[in-house]
Amino acid sequence: EAQVTQNPRYLITVTGKKLTVTCSQNMNHEYMSWYRQDPGLGLRQIYYSMNVEVTDKGDVPEGYKVSRKEKRNFPLILESPSPNQTSLYFCASSFATGQGDTSYGYTFGSGTRLTVV
Amino acid sequence: QKEVEQNSGPLSVPEGAIASLNCTYSDRGSQSFFWYRQYSGKSPELIMSIYSNGDKEDGRFTAQLNKASQYVSLLIRDSQPSDSATYLCAVKRFGGYNKLIFGAGTRLAVHP
Repeated sequence: EAQVTQNPRYLITVTGKKLTVTCSQNMNHEYMSWYRQDPGLGLRQIYYSMNVEVTDKGDVPEGYKVSRKEKRNFPLILESPSPNQTSLYFCASSFATGQGDTSYGYTFGSGTRLTVV
Repeated sequence: QKEVEQNSGPLSVPEGAIASLNCTYSDRGSQSFFWYRQYSGKSPELIMSIYSNGDKEDGRFTAQLNKASQYVSLLIRDSQPSDSATYLCAVKRFGGYNKLIFGAGTRLAVHP
């Protein structure tokens, strides 16, 4: 089954304790991205990757790191989590843009609800 | 002005009615438009994509695009309580990488 797998689904941690949220896709997608979703603010992009070893900042990158060593995996790293990073996180993937600058849309993972106390 | 704007709702419709969800966008060069459905606490699910002006139908869903007016809409016919969710409009800007800009979503409530 084609899917984006995120783990864990729920995570409660303490301020300053490093954590990693994993994301893996089995669709051979070039493009992967992390979003956070907060009430009233919608989906905001944290980081994205256009292919292996190619990553860049999105709209809200502060406090996050990513890596893309393999095409299928795109982990999100919080080196020193703070309470303002409490949020619902989604990983998404897609093929790169097609002809005429068209996009194929994203497939989202099931989400990770992170609470930092 | 937000790049992608949606009325937050809630939009309340009776079962069996047509629900009409609207979205406007600011980048006139945008080429790709999407509607996602998101149930509370779940991930967004792609339900429609549209690339050309006009209507595109898929089952009970119809997406409508008017690039001149920078407007995209989603019609849900014969609305069911199971359609109650938040509907996100997403737009790909012209050029650059495959970044979708999402609206904040419209909450739809279908009551029996």
